[in-house]
Amino acid sequence: GAVVSQHPSRVICKSGTSVKIECRSLDFQATTMFWYRQFPKQSLMLMATSNEGSKATYEQGVEKDKFLINHASLTLSTLTVTSAHPEDSSFYICSASILQGRAGTQYFGPGTRLLVL
Amino acid sequence: AQKITQTQPGMFVQEKEAVTLDCTYDTSDPSYGLFWYKQPSSGEMIFLIYQGSYDQQNATEGRYSLNFQKARKSANLVISASQLGDSAMYFCAPTPSNNNDMRFGAGTRLTVKP
Repeated sequence: GAVVSQHPSRVICKSGTSVKIECRSLDFQATTMFWYRQFPKQSLMLMATSNEGSKATYEQGVEKDKFLINHASLTLSTLTVTSAHPEDSSFYICSASILQGRAGTQYFGPGTRLLVL
Repeated sequence: AQKITQTQPGMFVQEKEAVTLDCTYDTSDPSYGLFWYKQPSSGEMIFLIYQGSYDQQNATEGRYSLNFQKARKSANLVISASQLGDSAMYFCAPTPSNNNDMRFGAGTRLTVKP
């Protein structure tokens, strides 16, 4: 089956530092990757959609300069939280979709828990 | 933006009994898919079941089935013979077929009691 990995699974950082989260599709090429954020006891909120080789499309209210997304290849997308602050502490989940197969199917990574002190 | 409603923030069910989790939506897309995901405390999103908007029959996957009522824009998840391991958050996600833009409802926390 389609497997998506995320690294790191957990990260603790000091306020003001930048954190990079990697999302990889391990056994398939992803036409599109998605980044979600989930605060405790809440649903997943879509942050941005990225296609390989093009700029990410951000959802309303998501700061492009704070959450930098690079989709360098069909198997790798990275999310960099720049100058992280405690309010950025959250669970970040990526997903990847492929052209073939059932439309709308997304394969989710295991998520990254970010804690900003 | 599409509105997705899961009216039950929390549900309790006795082990081995069936439970229905509600989901309604207001999409205007002519073709879409309905996904249900389970999220245990570990955080991973586990795909459960899918229903295409043009599928004639309700989808079933093992103990999971969908009560899909297209005219009412409703896609309730039915879990039969509940198990303790079913305790988790459950999210529905109506998704347009043309852009894979998946949005989630607020979720329902299901607790299975022994």
